[in-house]
Amino acid sequence: QKEVEQDPGPLSVPEGAIVSLNCTYSNSAFQYFMWYRQYSRKGPELLMYTYSSGNKEDGRFTAQVDKSSKYISLFIRDSQPSDSATYLCANSDSWGKFQFGAGTQVVVTP
Amino acid sequence: KAGVTQTPRYLIKTRGQQVTLSCSPISGHRSVSWYQQTPGQGLQFLFEYFSETQRNKGNFPGRFSGRQFSNSRSEMNVSTLELGDSALYLCASSSGDRAGETQYFGPGTRLLVL
Repeated sequence: QKEVEQDPGPLSVPEGAIVSLNCTYSNSAFQYFMWYRQYSRKGPELLMYTYSSGNKEDGRFTAQVDKSSKYISLFIRDSQPSDSATYLCANSDSWGKFQFGAGTQVVVTP
Repeated sequence: KAGVTQTPRYLIKTRGQQVTLSCSPISGHRSVSWYQQTPGQGLQFLFEYFSETQRNKGNFPGRFSGRQFSNSRSEMNVSTLELGDSALYLCASSSGDRAGETQYFGPGTRLLVL
């Protein structure tokens, strides 16, 4: 079993809809949580970073962490075709060990 | 600040050859991590260098090696290339001296082994 599980998709939504992405992890040592966006043939780009349970909002993006359930989510409001990309969740522990999910491909159709 | 840079961006090699990839981290960052990304396996951690020392290592064979220079630039070498080494190789940098800080990725080097 991988330490970070993520549905590979693809997840297809119409423009303007809310995109909902989820990730589960198994290691309680993970204390820091990130979401990256990766466009085709590019490197991952940091979108959101949080270290506590609860919600963190940044523009159209909301990251949600539930440490008790080991569950993290990313919501994208008012989705645009430019949001079409692969979204990677990532966790790290206090010693700098990172684990990445396999990524969920999102397609936003006009 | 300039971002993480990687060279070359694309490489084509044949089986049995060796290859060296280069990564320049964000200015002031002392940690460089290397990842292999393939469609089937996702992002897999190769190793991390901090202040010229390998600090963490993933589960890759010894054909994969790396080093870091005093200016924090890092190189990764793959010897005796196999077809399965075809992948996007990403490096990520961070300051490396604070718990919980995140990593910033370069654009990657796409390696094709024929």
